[in-house]
Amino acid sequence: GNSVTQMEGPVTLSEEAFLTINCTYTATGYPSLFWYVQYPGEGLQLLLKATKADDKGSNKGFEATYRKETTSFHLEKGSVQVSDSAVYFCALNLGLRGGGSNYKLTFGKGTLLTVNP
Amino acid sequence: SQTIHQWPATLVQPVGSPLSLECTVEGTSNPNLYWYRQAAGRGLQLLFYSVGIGQISSEVPQNLSASRPQDRQFILSSKKLLLSDSGFYLCAWNPTGTVNTEAFFGQGTRLTVV
Repeated sequence: GNSVTQMEGPVTLSEEAFLTINCTYTATGYPSLFWYVQYPGEGLQLLLKATKADDKGSNKGFEATYRKETTSFHLEKGSVQVSDSAVYFCALNLGLRGGGSNYKLTFGKGTLLTVNP
Repeated sequence: SQTIHQWPATLVQPVGSPLSLECTVEGTSNPNLYWYRQAAGRGLQLLFYSVGIGQISSEVPQNLSASRPQDRQFILSSKKLLLSDSGFYLCAWNPTGTVNTEAFFGQGTRLTVV
């Protein structure tokens, strides 16, 4: 079946450290891939996305490249800040049952990132 | 622009009491609508989705139900809450028929069943 696997963490880094959060997926067909961020007590916000192989999504210094050959979409940031502390979710889109062209997102379990000053 | 509203933000309910959480979307028509639950602080579980008025699909059997009485309104309900229903509930939407689009989330409802 279709699924998303991401490193569960928690991940604790010092400010300005390099961040990698691994995400791999299993899917039939060619899904779009997403990273969402959730700050404490809030809903999810889209961080970045990629819709086809070799696309690179980027936003706020974060990057992720859609790697079809390794079925991966790892999240990276060269220098994290305390304000990046949050839970990060990797996700892919799937067709809904009987939904024709309708799609839902399936998420990994999330990775808690804590950045210390 | 499109917006999604979800309320209440926080709710404390006794075991056995009913539940009604409401979600509305503005600025779009015929959206796909979703209810997710986030338990234990992190993982997201899809509970229900709807592709149109009156069309509800359940992803997991449970003590909850959902309804879509209007195009942009999605309601999560329970007749009798259980302790295990505690969690963070998130409503989301995405446009119909667009494979590459992300979903947009409300701010969530923190439900504590006591």
